[in-house]
Amino acid sequence: EAGVAQSPRYKIIEKRQSVAFWCNPISGHATLYWYQQILGQGPKLLIQFQNNGVVDDSQLPKDRFSAERLKGVDSTLKIQPAKLEDSAVYLCASSLTSGANTGELFFGEGSRLTVL
Amino acid sequence: AQSVTQLGSHVSVSEGALVLLRCNYSSSVPPYLFWYVQYPNQGLQLLLKYTTGATLVKGINGFEAEFKKSETSFHLTKPSAHMSDAAEYFCAGLSGSARQLTFGSGTQLTVLP
Repeated sequence: EAGVAQSPRYKIIEKRQSVAFWCNPISGHATLYWYQQILGQGPKLLIQFQNNGVVDDSQLPKDRFSAERLKGVDSTLKIQPAKLEDSAVYLCASSLTSGANTGELFFGEGSRLTVL
Repeated sequence: AQSVTQLGSHVSVSEGALVLLRCNYSSSVPPYLFWYVQYPNQGLQLLLKYTTGATLVKGINGFEAEFKKSETSFHLTKPSAHMSDAAEYFCAGLSGSARQLTFGSGTQLTVLP
């Protein structure tokens, strides 16, 4: 079974530029998550989709971050314009359940963003 | 809302020694608790979980954790460390009305030969 796929694995940009990350969850997984992991910290949830609808985006900085999950499968996370503090690993995860969160998530390898 | 706190950002043990990684939780309701592991350049993977029932939970690779309500703890242990156990370990819990997975800050485990 293929895992969660993410790209690109690494990205270096200058502040005020834009960047986009792509995620393809495990086939059949209804729920998709984007987490931000800053160096030395645990992952922090940015947004959760169930199928193609947003379940929780309360911690997404909406002035600069956006995410979509068209057709309820793959997803993109965009940052525009980027700030220095956005330097982090962006993790995509998926879970099979479409009901209450069981906490059993499958993570991709992450996309490491460096903002100079 | 539930939060988890991991004590010790770095732990070093010798190969063959006991591994003990500490996690405490705060919650007003019975918790759902997890340990995830992140090997270098890999995604996080679930090691074990506690929901209800038996308080001693066994996971993959010989790890186990014990839920202790009186101590609000969910420490991760392994009797004998292997070099391959070197990784970052995250304690996590479900929190909020939306039951979101909230992670601790992580503990980097180093295994010395």
